[in-house]
Amino acid sequence: GIQVEQSPPDLILQEGANSTLRCNFSDSVNNLQWFHQNPWGQLINLFYIPSGTKQNGRLSATTVATERYSLLYISSSQTTDSGVYFCALGEGNTPLVFGKGTRLSVIA
Amino acid sequence: DSGVTQTPKHLITATGQRVTLRCSPRSGDLSVYWYQQSLDQGLQFLIQYYNGEERAKGNILERFSAQQFPDLHSELNLSSLELGDSALYFCASSVHFRDTQYFGPGTRLTVL
Repeated sequence: GIQVEQSPPDLILQEGANSTLRCNFSDSVNNLQWFHQNPWGQLINLFYIPSGTKQNGRLSATTVATERYSLLYISSSQTTDSGVYFCALGEGNTPLVFGKGTRLSVIA
Repeated sequence: DSGVTQTPKHLITATGQRVTLRCSPRSGDLSVYWYQQSLDQGLQFLIQYYNGEERAKGNILERFSAQQFPDLHSELNLSSLELGDSALYFCASSVHFRDTQYFGPGTRLTVL
């Protein structure tokens, strides 16, 4: 099955800093999604991005499917960005496989 | 608010018992997914239903079963509960298979 590796596993940032989270995967995929799990446990979908680049406010994501990686950029980080960021992948109609996540802590 | 609702929010029960978790998908979504999140296993896909039919199965134990009803709400039944079943159980929904998945708030199950 698809292997998903996220890096770094943990990240501590000062408020206002920028960061890049990476997701590497082992096979071709046609379904890639980024999620944020906030400290209260809620999972929020950030992007559906099997290829290309998307932006939503201070967040943007790029997937280069041919090279099997996706990047999530967070600019001008805020304390509310804290939590765990997951990428999840699927191929065809197979269920999503989640990575282990990157735990982000933004300090004021 | 994702539009996906799950009840109950918290559930505390004893080993050997049976519980039912309920999920209502977003209006218009035909696909419902169940996931288990535990500290040691991370987020694991359990089972998917699409318009009332089972479409995919993951690492779901035989003690667990699920169904999707004609009104598209879904229930996950967990029986003969063990301590290791303690986890956060999420339901998610999407319009079709490869669409954006929206997660409910989860049910935190504690088995004592």
